[in-house]
Amino acid sequence: TQLLEQSPQFLSIQEGENLTVYCNSSSVFSSLQWYRQEPGEGPVLLVTVVTGGEVKKLKRLTFQFGDARKDSSLHITAAQPGDTGLYLCAGEVKLTFGTGTRLTIIP
Amino acid sequence: NAGVTQTPKFRILKIGQSMTLQCTQDMNHNYMYWYRQDPGMGLKLIYYSVGAGITDKGEVPNGYNVSRSTTEDFPLRLELAAPSQTSVYFCASSFPDAGPGTEAFFGQGTRLTVV
Repeated sequence: TQLLEQSPQFLSIQEGENLTVYCNSSSVFSSLQWYRQEPGEGPVLLVTVVTGGEVKKLKRLTFQFGDARKDSSLHITAAQPGDTGLYLCAGEVKLTFGTGTRLTIIP
Repeated sequence: NAGVTQTPKFRILKIGQSMTLQCTQDMNHNYMYWYRQDPGMGLKLIYYSVGAGITDKGEVPNGYNVSRSTTEDFPLRLELAAPSQTSVYFCASSFPDAGPGTEAFFGQGTRLTVV
């Protein structure tokens, strides 16, 4: 089993602040994905990273894949209430998900 | 496109009862997955399938069974419901042959309560 540990588990910050969440594993992944899930819905893909060291930007969200392809981070700049949700990383073809980070942005 | 469709959306079962959660996709995806999500937690893989006639266990398969007789359908069977199976169940599908990390599409979920 390829365990994906996410941290922090919960994060509550004020609107306008920056934040980073992490996804770590002892295993090497050929790719990692980040999903966001809103209450009552299934997860929706945000981004896929496939190359060690890769950085991808999606508006105020910046995703990085570690050089060794064992970890990834998601940085949000100037968080907004619409960013509230459960953020999940996932790896490999069997699509194993991480433990999740529940993010709350306070207006 | 309907995408991934799960039925029912909600169900209450008594301990020991059986039921089948239905999942169908119309995207011709070869991979399909079943997950459970407990309150405030991430998704745990129950079973997955890489194509019709092929299924394999995930992290938490005990108490569940699956079959994949067609590309479109991937039902999940609970034989003897237990309170520990109270959860939200998600079905997903993907087409990994399209390249590394291809997107998985999820259904709306089935909220199951066992009493």
